[in-house]
Amino acid sequence: NAGVTQTPKFRILKIGQSMTLQCAQDMNHNYMYWYRQDPGMGLKLIYYSVGAGITDKGEVPNGYNVSRSTTEDFPLRLELAAPSQTSVYFCASSYSGTGNQPQHFGDGTRLSIL
Amino acid sequence: GQNIDQPTEMTATEGAIVQINCTYQTSGFNGLFWYQQHAGEAPTFLSYNVLDGLEEKGRFSSFLSRSKGYSYLLLKELQMKDSASYLCAVPQTGANNLFFGTGTRLTVIP
Repeated sequence: NAGVTQTPKFRILKIGQSMTLQCAQDMNHNYMYWYRQDPGMGLKLIYYSVGAGITDKGEVPNGYNVSRSTTEDFPLRLELAAPSQTSVYFCASSYSGTGNQPQHFGDGTRLSIL
Repeated sequence: GQNIDQPTEMTATEGAIVQINCTYQTSGFNGLFWYQQHAGEAPTFLSYNVLDGLEEKGRFSSFLSRSKGYSYLLLKELQMKDSASYLCAVPQTGANNLFFGTGTRLTVIP
C-alpha cells in the first residue's frame, strides 16, 4: 500500500523558475495538506483541501498555488521561485479534518532555490 | 489562535526513561497528537489524546491534562532508534488542519 506519494524527492531550481510538486494518495482520504518545514522549525501549513474542487489557504500561502481536481491528487505549484522557498515540502492526507483522524505524510520533497 | 511550547532538545541514555513535555494554548480543545520524525524522514503518527489521563501503547505512553493545557510523551526502555524529533500538535481552531509545535529533538546515547 503506497499511502501518500510525493514526487520529485529532490529538486534544485533557479530563481524565477516554476515547478509543480506532485502529491497522490490512495487511501480515499478527503482531506489533503501541504506543509513546508525549515531547519529547526515546525511544520507550517501552506494550503489544504477538504475535497475535490475545494482548497483553502493555510498559514504561509504566498508564492504558491494548488488545485484539487480529483480526490487522489493535490499538486503544489511554485510560479516564481525565490530563495525563501528553499525548504522541505511535505504532503499529508487524512480521512477527516478534526477529531482522532491522524494525518499521513509523504516522504517529502527537498527543494533548493539558487 | 494557538501556541505550543516544547523543549528544543533532550538527551537520554539507552535503556532509560524520558519524558517529553508539551504545553499548549488553544480555544475549543479537540484533542492532541504526538508525531515522531526521524531526521530526513516524514512525521509518523504516535498517539492521540482527547480525554485526561495516560494512554499506553507499548514502550510509548502519552498523558493529557486539559485543565493545565499540558501533555507529555513518555518513552520507556529507550533504544538508539528512538533518536528523533517528537512533534506535539493540536487541531487548529475553526479550521480543518493541525497546528504543530517546533518539536523536541531527542538524542539517545549509549
